[in-house]
Amino acid sequence: AQSVTQPDIHITVSEGASLELRCNYSYGATPYLFWYVQSPGQGLQLLLKYFSGDTLVQGIKGFEAEFKRSQSSFNLRKPSVHWSDAAEYFCAVGTTSGTYKYIFGTGTRLKVLA
Amino acid sequence: KAGVTQTPRYLIKTRGQQVTLSCSPISGHRSVSWYQQTPGQGLQFLFEYFSETQRNKGNFPGRFSGRQFSNSRSEMNVSTLELGDSALYLCASSLEGAAGELFFGEGSRLTVL
Repeated sequence: AQSVTQPDIHITVSEGASLELRCNYSYGATPYLFWYVQSPGQGLQLLLKYFSGDTLVQGIKGFEAEFKRSQSSFNLRKPSVHWSDAAEYFCAVGTTSGTYKYIFGTGTRLKVLA
Repeated sequence: KAGVTQTPRYLIKTRGQQVTLSCSPISGHRSVSWYQQTPGQGLQFLFEYFSETQRNKGNFPGRFSGRQFSNSRSEMNVSTLELGDSALYLCASSLEGAAGELFFGEGSRLTVL
């Protein structure tokens, strides 16, 4: 079955520290991969996406993610976190065949300490 | 370019009532999908419409329905509301559906009393 797992429900980091949010997926082929961010009371905003090619993708707000096929992972990273990064982050898979659909993980809520 | 607009933003209903939520996609986007977001459950896919046709449907009871109009605007309806229907309902539009970026509205927060 297709699924997306974000093993960390909550993560707390200090401002200026590095960040890595984990995402693992289960899908029979190479999917389209996305990271979205949701600030309180807001909809989701796309941070970055991977379709093909270079496995390290750059996104907005200084975020990057690396696709690792062997590990079925697409972890999100940021070298130095800012207080404004506090939000909920969702990893998503877009299927590439059959009935197209998106599958979202349950999200990781990031708290940033001043 | 205007974003995805959802109305109403907040609403309170009682059990047994029905509710209709509206979504206006970004101009030119033909795909509209709906998600239910609840704490701990994340985003659960409800359905997706493309050019007025429902292409995909999630695992929700028949009380949840939707439609899309010729101008790509979409509505979803929930009948016979239950307490568990309290959630943030998010609409997203895209040019062609999966494989493309989803653009989300701010959501309609439904509270069922």
